[in-house]
Amino acid sequence: EDQVTQSPEALRLQEGESSSLNCSYTVSGLRGLFWYRQDPGKGPEFLFTLYSAGEEKEKERLKATLTKKESFLHITAPKPEDSATYLCAVQDFNKFYFGSGTKLNVKP
Amino acid sequence: ETGVTQSPTHLIKTRGQQVTLRCSSQSGHNTVSWYQQALGQGPQFIFQYYREEENGRGNFPPRFSGLQFPNYSSELNVNALELDDSALYLCASSAGQGRDEQFFGPGTRLTVL
Repeated sequence: EDQVTQSPEALRLQEGESSSLNCSYTVSGLRGLFWYRQDPGKGPEFLFTLYSAGEEKEKERLKATLTKKESFLHITAPKPEDSATYLCAVQDFNKFYFGSGTKLNVKP
Repeated sequence: ETGVTQSPTHLIKTRGQQVTLRCSSQSGHNTVSWYQQALGQGPQFIFQYYREEENGRGNFPPRFSGLQFPNYSSELNVNALELDDSALYLCASSAGQGRDEQFFGPGTRLTVL
């Protein structure tokens, strides 16, 4: 049973071409939703925490939003250095569930 | 501020052996979680320790066990290794007390032959 589903699995963008990544989830007691960035061979790097529907967080070219059943990571005018796998995770009480990630490739 | 560190970086074991992986949490963090990440997949939650007690567990068999020490560092032990245990093992620490964002170490790459 999948708790977290991310789409698309892979995304190729031209530099400057804005887009959004989706994370849908099914948990009984959401305590938090987290976005991470992971570069090849490295541990995930924390980006955002969202706690309640309607909440938004921003950092540089990234903006994360949350509804009752999904979250979006909006990437505005991406640069090649934004290329990475973006992971979404949800916390259900004392358990954490990660999606399989969206692999983003930004071409110059 | 020292980040999360893990050792060793890489490890090769044979099926049936036992392995211990180590993690030092970020300064000021009292909660440690362990994850297994297969190639091309997201991390799978193994368990979490808070103040030396197991505080949550994912769907992993009992041969996966752990410890947390008074300095909040942690160990992951895996007995009777199987080929499918080959993966990147990640440790993450958090400050607890409602601040649940986790900060990850670089991981230990385990290969089981």
